[in-house]
Amino acid sequence: GIQVEQSPPDLILQEGANSTLRCNFSDSVNNLQWFHQNPWGQLINLFYIPSGTKQNGRLSATTVATERYSLLYISSSQTTDSGVYFCAVGSRAGSYQLTFGKGTKLSVIP
Amino acid sequence: KAGVTQTPRYLIKTRGQQVTLSCSPISGHRSVSWYQQTPGQGLQFLFEYFSETQRNKGNFPGRFSGRQFSNSRSEMNVSTLELGDSALYLCASSLTGGGNGYTFGSGTRLTVV
Repeated sequence: GIQVEQSPPDLILQEGANSTLRCNFSDSVNNLQWFHQNPWGQLINLFYIPSGTKQNGRLSATTVATERYSLLYISSSQTTDSGVYFCAVGSRAGSYQLTFGKGTKLSVIP
Repeated sequence: KAGVTQTPRYLIKTRGQQVTLSCSPISGHRSVSWYQQTPGQGLQFLFEYFSETQRNKGNFPGRFSGRQFSNSRSEMNVSTLELGDSALYLCASSLTGGGNGYTFGSGTRLTVV
Protein backbone atom coordinates (compact mmCIF):
# COMPACT_ATOMS: atom_id res chain seq x y z
CA GLY A 1 0.00 0.00 0.00
CA ILE A 2 0.88 3.65 -0.09
CA GLN A 3 3.56 4.86 2.30
CA VAL A 4 3.40 8.21 4.10
CA GLU A 5 6.41 9.74 5.78
CA GLN A 6 6.33 12.88 7.88
CA SER A 7 9.23 14.96 9.02
CA PRO A 8 10.44 16.02 11.45
CA PRO A 9 8.99 13.63 14.04
CA ASP A 10 9.43 16.20 16.81
CA LEU A 11 9.72 19.96 16.71
CA ILE A 12 10.20 22.47 19.51
CA LEU A 13 9.62 26.14 18.72
CA GLN A 14 9.76 29.39 20.56
CA GLU A 15 6.48 31.27 20.43
CA GLY A 16 6.43 33.54 17.39
CA ALA A 17 8.68 31.34 15.26
CA ASN A 18 7.75 29.88 11.89
CA SER A 19 7.90 26.22 10.91
CA THR A 20 7.49 23.88 7.95
CA LEU A 21 6.22 20.33 8.26
CA ARG A 22 6.71 17.90 5.41
CA CYS A 23 4.74 14.91 4.15
CA ASN A 24 6.10 12.56 1.47
CA PHE A 25 3.93 9.90 -0.11
CA SER A 26 4.83 7.00 -2.33
CA ASP A 27 2.02 6.95 -4.89
CA SER A 28 -0.45 9.23 -6.60
CA VAL A 29 -3.29 10.40 -4.37
CA ASN A 30 -6.86 11.56 -4.78
CA ASN A 31 -7.13 12.84 -1.23
CA LEU A 32 -4.65 14.55 1.06
CA GLN A 33 -5.55 16.13 4.35
CA TRP A 34 -3.66 17.76 7.19
CA PHE A 35 -5.01 17.31 10.70
CA HIS A 36 -4.14 18.69 14.10
CA GLN A 37 -4.80 16.33 16.99
CA ASN A 38 -5.67 18.21 20.15
CA PRO A 39 -4.81 17.01 23.68
CA TRP A 40 -8.23 15.39 23.96
CA GLY A 41 -7.60 13.25 20.89
CA GLN A 42 -9.83 14.90 18.35
CA LEU A 43 -8.49 15.24 14.83
CA ILE A 44 -9.19 18.74 13.60
CA ASN A 45 -9.26 19.07 9.83
CA LEU A 46 -6.86 21.83 8.76
CA PHE A 47 -6.74 21.42 4.99
CA TYR A 48 -8.13 19.19 2.29
CA ILE A 49 -5.42 19.67 -0.33
CA PRO A 50 -4.75 16.90 -2.88
CA SER A 51 -3.01 19.55 -5.00
CA GLY A 52 -2.26 23.28 -5.03
CA THR A 53 -1.95 25.82 -2.25
CA LYS A 54 -4.36 26.96 0.44
CA GLN A 55 -4.14 29.41 3.29
CA ASN A 56 -6.13 29.80 6.46
CA GLY A 57 -4.90 32.52 8.77
CA ARG A 58 -1.43 31.68 10.05
CA LEU A 59 -1.52 28.28 8.41
CA SER A 60 -0.94 27.43 4.80
CA ALA A 61 -0.36 24.23 2.87
CA THR A 62 1.06 23.29 -0.49
CA THR A 63 0.83 19.94 -2.24
CA VAL A 64 2.97 19.16 -5.27
CA ALA A 65 1.23 16.02 -6.44
CA THR A 66 3.62 15.33 -9.30
CA GLU A 67 6.54 15.22 -6.86
CA ARG A 68 4.54 13.45 -4.16
CA TYR A 69 4.94 15.78 -1.25
CA SER A 70 2.98 18.28 0.79
CA LEU A 71 4.11 21.03 3.13
CA LEU A 72 2.32 22.63 6.04
CA TYR A 73 3.52 26.08 7.06
CA ILE A 74 2.84 27.54 10.49
CA SER A 75 3.73 31.19 10.91
CA SER A 76 4.00 33.19 14.14
CA SER A 77 3.43 30.05 16.20
CA GLN A 78 1.41 30.19 19.40
CA THR A 79 1.32 27.83 22.37
CA THR A 80 -2.13 26.70 21.24
CA ASP A 81 -0.53 25.30 18.07
CA SER A 82 1.09 22.57 20.16
CA GLY A 83 -0.03 19.05 19.44
CA VAL A 84 0.47 16.41 16.79
CA TYR A 85 0.07 17.20 13.11
CA PHE A 86 -0.89 14.37 10.80
CA CYS A 87 -0.82 14.08 7.06
CA ALA A 88 -3.27 11.54 5.65
CA VAL A 89 -3.68 10.43 2.06
CA GLY A 90 -6.17 8.47 0.02
CA SER A 91 -4.82 6.66 -3.01
CA ARG A 92 -6.64 5.57 -6.17
CA ALA A 93 -10.32 5.84 -6.70
CA GLY A 94 -12.32 3.27 -4.81
CA SER A 95 -10.01 2.60 -1.89
CA TYR A 96 -12.17 4.68 0.49
CA GLN A 97 -9.57 4.93 3.21
CA LEU A 98 -6.95 7.30 4.51
CA THR A 99 -3.39 6.23 5.23
CA PHE A 100 -1.82 8.31 7.97
CA GLY A 101 1.75 9.29 8.58
CA LYS A 102 3.26 8.91 12.04
CA GLY A 103 2.78 12.62 12.71
CA THR A 104 4.92 15.56 13.77
CA LYS A 105 4.73 16.43 17.46
CA LEU A 106 4.97 20.20 17.80
CA SER A 107 5.71 21.90 21.09
CA VAL A 108 5.54 25.69 21.20
CA ILE A 109 7.12 27.17 24.30
CA PRO A 110 6.48 30.71 25.60
CA LYS B 1 -24.24 22.22 11.67
CA ALA B 2 -23.58 19.41 14.11
CA GLY B 3 -20.29 17.57 13.78
CA VAL B 4 -19.54 13.88 14.00
CA THR B 5 -20.79 12.48 17.30
CA GLN B 6 -19.26 9.44 18.93
CA THR B 7 -20.56 7.71 22.03
CA PRO B 8 -19.51 6.84 24.60
CA ARG B 9 -16.41 9.02 25.11
CA TYR B 10 -14.77 6.63 27.54
CA LEU B 11 -15.22 2.94 28.19
CA ILE B 12 -13.57 0.39 30.45
CA LYS B 13 -14.12 -3.28 29.69
CA THR B 14 -12.73 -6.59 30.91
CA ARG B 15 -10.87 -9.06 28.71
CA GLY B 16 -13.25 -11.41 26.95
CA GLN B 17 -16.18 -9.01 26.96
CA GLN B 18 -17.59 -7.35 23.88
CA VAL B 19 -18.19 -3.68 23.17
CA THR B 20 -20.26 -1.58 20.79
CA LEU B 21 -19.29 1.94 19.78
CA SER B 22 -21.57 4.39 18.01
CA CYS B 23 -20.97 7.12 15.44
CA SER B 24 -23.45 9.65 14.05
CA PRO B 25 -22.10 11.39 10.95
CA ILE B 26 -22.64 14.95 9.79
CA SER B 27 -26.10 15.35 8.33
CA GLY B 28 -26.03 14.49 4.64
CA HIS B 29 -22.80 12.51 4.84
CA ARG B 30 -23.27 8.95 3.67
CA SER B 31 -19.77 7.58 4.21
CA VAL B 32 -18.57 6.55 7.65
CA SER B 33 -15.09 5.23 8.37
CA TRP B 34 -13.54 3.85 11.53
CA TYR B 35 -9.92 4.13 12.65
CA GLN B 36 -7.97 2.74 15.58
CA GLN B 37 -5.21 4.80 17.16
CA THR B 38 -2.58 3.27 19.43
CA PRO B 39 0.82 4.61 20.53
CA GLY B 40 2.62 1.75 18.81
CA GLN B 41 0.76 1.44 15.50
CA GLY B 42 -0.52 4.97 15.05
CA LEU B 43 -3.76 5.49 13.14
CA GLN B 44 -4.99 2.44 11.29
CA PHE B 45 -8.02 2.02 9.06
CA LEU B 46 -10.67 -0.42 10.26
CA PHE B 47 -13.52 -0.21 7.72
CA GLU B 48 -15.67 2.12 5.65
CA TYR B 49 -19.41 2.07 5.05
CA PHE B 50 -21.51 3.82 2.45
CA SER B 51 -25.28 3.47 2.19
CA GLU B 52 -25.26 0.50 4.58
CA THR B 53 -22.61 -1.37 2.56
CA GLN B 54 -19.09 -2.09 3.70
CA ARG B 55 -16.86 -1.00 0.84
CA ASN B 56 -13.45 -1.51 2.36
CA LYS B 57 -11.95 -3.29 5.35
CA GLY B 58 -8.55 -2.90 6.96
CA ASN B 59 -6.25 -5.62 8.20
CA PHE B 60 -7.97 -6.45 11.48
CA PRO B 61 -9.21 -9.80 12.82
CA GLY B 62 -12.82 -10.86 12.44
CA ARG B 63 -13.50 -9.85 16.07
CA PHE B 64 -13.86 -6.33 14.69
CA SER B 65 -17.10 -5.76 12.84
CA GLY B 66 -19.38 -2.91 11.99
CA ARG B 67 -22.58 -1.87 10.35
CA GLN B 68 -24.35 1.18 9.05
CA PHE B 69 -28.01 2.00 9.37
CA SER B 70 -30.33 3.64 6.86
CA ASN B 71 -29.88 7.02 8.59
CA SER B 72 -26.08 6.67 8.04
CA ARG B 73 -25.34 6.16 11.73
CA SER B 74 -22.75 3.47 12.25
CA GLU B 75 -21.74 1.09 14.97
CA MET B 76 -18.63 -0.96 15.42
CA ASN B 77 -18.38 -4.02 17.59
CA VAL B 78 -15.37 -5.73 19.08
CA SER B 79 -15.94 -9.20 20.52
CA THR B 80 -13.73 -11.19 22.90
CA LEU B 81 -11.77 -8.12 23.92
CA GLU B 82 -8.00 -8.37 24.34
CA LEU B 83 -5.67 -6.03 26.22
CA GLY B 84 -4.24 -4.93 22.88
CA ASP B 85 -7.62 -3.57 21.83
CA SER B 86 -7.14 -0.67 24.23
CA ALA B 87 -7.07 2.34 21.94
CA LEU B 88 -8.72 5.51 20.80
CA TYR B 89 -11.37 4.63 18.22
CA LEU B 90 -12.12 7.42 15.78
CA CYS B 91 -14.99 7.74 13.39
CA ALA B 92 -14.92 9.95 10.29
CA SER B 93 -17.68 10.98 7.95
CA SER B 94 -17.63 12.37 4.44
CA LEU B 95 -20.11 13.02 1.67
CA THR B 96 -19.17 10.05 -0.47
CA GLY B 97 -15.81 8.80 0.81
CA GLY B 98 -12.80 8.40 -1.44
CA GLY B 99 -11.74 11.76 -2.79
CA ASN B 100 -13.75 13.90 -0.40
CA GLY B 101 -12.52 15.49 2.78
CA TYR B 102 -13.15 13.64 6.02
CA THR B 103 -14.36 15.08 9.32
CA PHE B 104 -13.53 13.18 12.49
CA GLY B 105 -15.41 12.80 15.73
CA SER B 106 -13.89 13.18 19.18
CA GLY B 107 -13.34 9.46 19.53
CA THR B 108 -14.08 6.75 22.06
CA ARG B 109 -11.24 5.82 24.38
CA LEU B 110 -11.49 2.12 25.17
CA THR B 111 -9.51 0.59 27.99
CA VAL B 112 -9.44 -3.19 28.35
CA VAL B 113 -8.37 -4.49 31.76
